[in-house]
Amino acid sequence: DAKTTQPTSMDCAEGRAANLPCNHSTISGNEYVYWYRQIHSQGPQYIIHGLKNNETNEMASLIITEDRKSSTLILPHATLRDTAVYYCIVRVANTGNQFYFGTGTSLTVIP
Amino acid sequence: NAGVTQTPKFRILKIGQSMTLQCAQDMNHNYMYWYRQDPGMGLKLIYYSVGAGITDKGEVPNGYNVSRSTTEDFPLRLELAAPSQTSVYFCASSYRPDRSNGYTFGSGTRLTVV
Repeated sequence: DAKTTQPTSMDCAEGRAANLPCNHSTISGNEYVYWYRQIHSQGPQYIIHGLKNNETNEMASLIITEDRKSSTLILPHATLRDTAVYYCIVRVANTGNQFYFGTGTSLTVIP
Repeated sequence: NAGVTQTPKFRILKIGQSMTLQCAQDMNHNYMYWYRQDPGMGLKLIYYSVGAGITDKGEVPNGYNVSRSTTEDFPLRLELAAPSQTSVYFCASSYRPDRSNGYTFGSGTRLTVV
């Protein structure tokens, strides 16, 4: 699975959009981009995933560049409960291959 | 659905003791995984299973054993506990094919070895 690079930490004002970047320059054509988050002491929670097209669900939007070498997770109106570590992972879907988690981005939403 | 259930939530072990961390899922997922997370670090894969009777090593398997006799259960065994195994342990499961939601994680077991 391709390696990802994320900033160690970010801050965001409450109510503003949080934009979390992820670089995955060695991504293969059949690898998806997944985002998870981990709120303190809890198990990681799935947020969103995508292959080529931008994706949106009730939690977030995922913007993937045309060359697929980077992506951005957008939390449109960050709340204090969005304070968490966010993990960007690339892997082949439709297989049993395990996720490898890095250290992620620690997002702090500031009142 | 209870999802992924881990027991116990907390445990303190003495060096050299053994224990089994329990993990059960009721979603009929074929794939199950054990991760450990040390303080301030990301998750590291210990073992995983693609179905009943099949297990394989992850990144950090030393000091652990697993079994998968049923689809629902995936226990993790520590035979001779060491201080280096102090960590939070997460179990996860997923469908095959993995179409959408990736993994479902349990709430974790916090283990301290003294």
